[in-house]
Amino acid sequence: DVKVTQSSRYLVKRTGEKVFLECVQDMDHENMFWYRQDPGLGLRLIYFSYDVKMKEKGDIPEGYSVSREKKERFSLILESASTNQTSMYLCASSFSLEDPASYEQYFGPGTRLTVT
Amino acid sequence: GQNIDQPTEMTATEGAIVQINCTYQTSGFNGLFWYQQHAGEAPTFLSYNVLDGLEEKGRFSSFLSRSKGYSYLLLKELQMKDSASYLCAVPPSGNTPLVFGKGTRLSVIA
Repeated sequence: DVKVTQSSRYLVKRTGEKVFLECVQDMDHENMFWYRQDPGLGLRLIYFSYDVKMKEKGDIPEGYSVSREKKERFSLILESASTNQTSMYLCASSFSLEDPASYEQYFGPGTRLTVT
Repeated sequence: GQNIDQPTEMTATEGAIVQINCTYQTSGFNGLFWYQQHAGEAPTFLSYNVLDGLEEKGRFSSFLSRSKGYSYLLLKELQMKDSASYLCAVPPSGNTPLVFGKGTRLSVIA
């Protein structure tokens, strides 16, 4: 079974703090994704990566950065947390973006971040 | 670009059948995914349709009509544990991630 793990289920940070959210997958997937999910807005893509050291902006990258130094690990960084970044953050991975049958994304359990 | 529409909420009775619709507009078509997401948990894969027609998998079935840009998820013999959000998603053409609908929150009542 594919396993995607995230470093924390719940996190509380103060405004202005630098926040690191870690995600690790164990199935040698090429692609990794970071989403945030808010009521009424659905899943919104922040950043994704299709290879080590590669990153692409998603729909809402402002206020976030990412790092992918190793294939299995994809980190989301909030440089200076703000209250409007309070949300559920979901990491996902998929095998490939070349074959549609491999597009299936496997999600981690999520991190509920509260910024006060 | 891509546009995906689903009803926001639905309510159905335990033991009944419910159909959750999804319409989409995409620049290309590479199939359609359905995911289930229980409150506070991660989405989990339910089905992938790339050809027209109905695919059955136990109590859950998924239908696709490419010409109409339409899919539905059919849940039979509803159980309380089926209360969840159901997300449809399409892979756009090119090397880009899945685009998700906002999800349909299904409540199963006794």
